[in-house]
Amino acid sequence: GEEVAQTPKHLVRGEGQKAKLYCAPIKGHSYVFWYQQVLKNEFKFLISFQNENVFDETGMPKERFSAKCLPNSPCSLEIQATKLEDSAVYFCASSPRTGTNEKLFFGSGTQLSVL
Amino acid sequence: QKEVEQDPGPLSVPEGAIVSLNCTYSNSAFQYFMWYRQYSRKGPELLMYTYSSGNKEDGRFTAQVDKSSKYISLFIRDSQPSDSATYLCAMSLNAGNNRKLIWGLGTSLAVNP
Repeated sequence: GEEVAQTPKHLVRGEGQKAKLYCAPIKGHSYVFWYQQVLKNEFKFLISFQNENVFDETGMPKERFSAKCLPNSPCSLEIQATKLEDSAVYFCASSPRTGTNEKLFFGSGTQLSVL
Repeated sequence: QKEVEQDPGPLSVPEGAIVSLNCTYSNSAFQYFMWYRQYSRKGPELLMYTYSSGNKEDGRFTAQVDKSSKYISLFIRDSQPSDSATYLCAMSLNAGNNRKLIWGLGTSLAVNP
């Protein structure tokens, strides 16, 4: 498709429950990025993929966060045993294969509320 | 100290005004500078992209980068109510293989009819 599609739009979880977020990048885009935005604060980079391969995971809290981008499936970000501080909007973005243009196409985000 | 500083506002201007939005940064190695616009409940969309120092103009928008002062600006001419949004600056060390962006907190802009 021509838009980055993120589902669900809203997700509510009790503390300790699992949360799974999905992202379908724009068709033909090879790079996928996940960002976390807490309470209108800055975007925090989590992880990036080049196709199904992890490209940069320096932002991921590895003990509870994991992510995948498998062929012919939406990418996913999973949080095991959610904590209150995981409440945020999680944005997915994709970008084309080549070039030096930093244009990222963002989805509308998934609002995760941990109660 | 944050790597990228941006005044969160809010900034309120009358329709037709010239708007000036700014960011400062601390890492002199940043080379790529972007301005994104984010409407409520939406993801950011890229407005302007510049490499190194200089000016770039696109319609009513002008981006300026002053690497010697570590200061970037976005100017909006003839502002419209539809420009009301949060404007985020973002920057990166390099393009191509590393697209990890460092973001400002965003400036909230309201253009009043």
